[in-house]
Amino acid sequence: AQKVTQAQTEISVVEKEDVTLDCVYETRDTTYYLFWYKQPPSGELVFLIRRNSFDEQNEISGRYSWNFQKSTSSFNFTITASQVVDSAVYFCALSERNTGGFKTIFGAGTRLFVKA
Amino acid sequence: GAVVSQHPSRVICKSGTSVKIECRSLDFQATTMFWYRQFPKQSLMLMATSNEGSKATYEQGVEKDKFLINHASLTLSTLTVTSAHPEDSSFYICSARTSTYQETQYFGPGTRLLVL
Repeated sequence: AQKVTQAQTEISVVEKEDVTLDCVYETRDTTYYLFWYKQPPSGELVFLIRRNSFDEQNEISGRYSWNFQKSTSSFNFTITASQVVDSAVYFCALSERNTGGFKTIFGAGTRLFVKA
Repeated sequence: GAVVSQHPSRVICKSGTSVKIECRSLDFQATTMFWYRQFPKQSLMLMATSNEGSKATYEQGVEKDKFLINHASLTLSTLTVTSAHPEDSSFYICSARTSTYQETQYFGPGTRLLVL
């Protein structure tokens, strides 16, 4: 069965600090996709990244970076030099093939507070 | 591209009434749409999967007679909360995917439902 664990419920940092959000997943499939989404107070999910199971290259996009480690089933997300606007809930998600197509499940989310 | 809209963005209704929420894919054809529910400070929970032209598949514990889903076209799915009660108050989010990139869902902005 699919499972996504975000052990950090809330994280509070001061602006300009770096912060890493952890995500550990479980799947029996060899083909799967991992996602990170940001949910600001408005509620709308903002897509951040998609990574397939065959691509373990880490990725950097501006202040955001992702570390995908299949050996530990982790897909961690780091924000460098955090800003107040980064305050939001961040969800890690796993999409795995199921009857009828891919099914996506979300982790519980990590609420990030960035203080000025 | 890949924009999904929801209408209304928020709705307040009296207990016992029915509420319809629309989900539209604006610039692509969505063979499959998903409906999620998110209670405050919780994660997104999948309620049902709907494929165009066929009956929706509901997740365990979701009452299909209470949450009516119609996916009559490749760009529109509707969720009707029948005989709404205060415990149905939640944030409802739809998503859509194409037949080509089944692992990726495009999310709508969500609908906040408050049942008085």
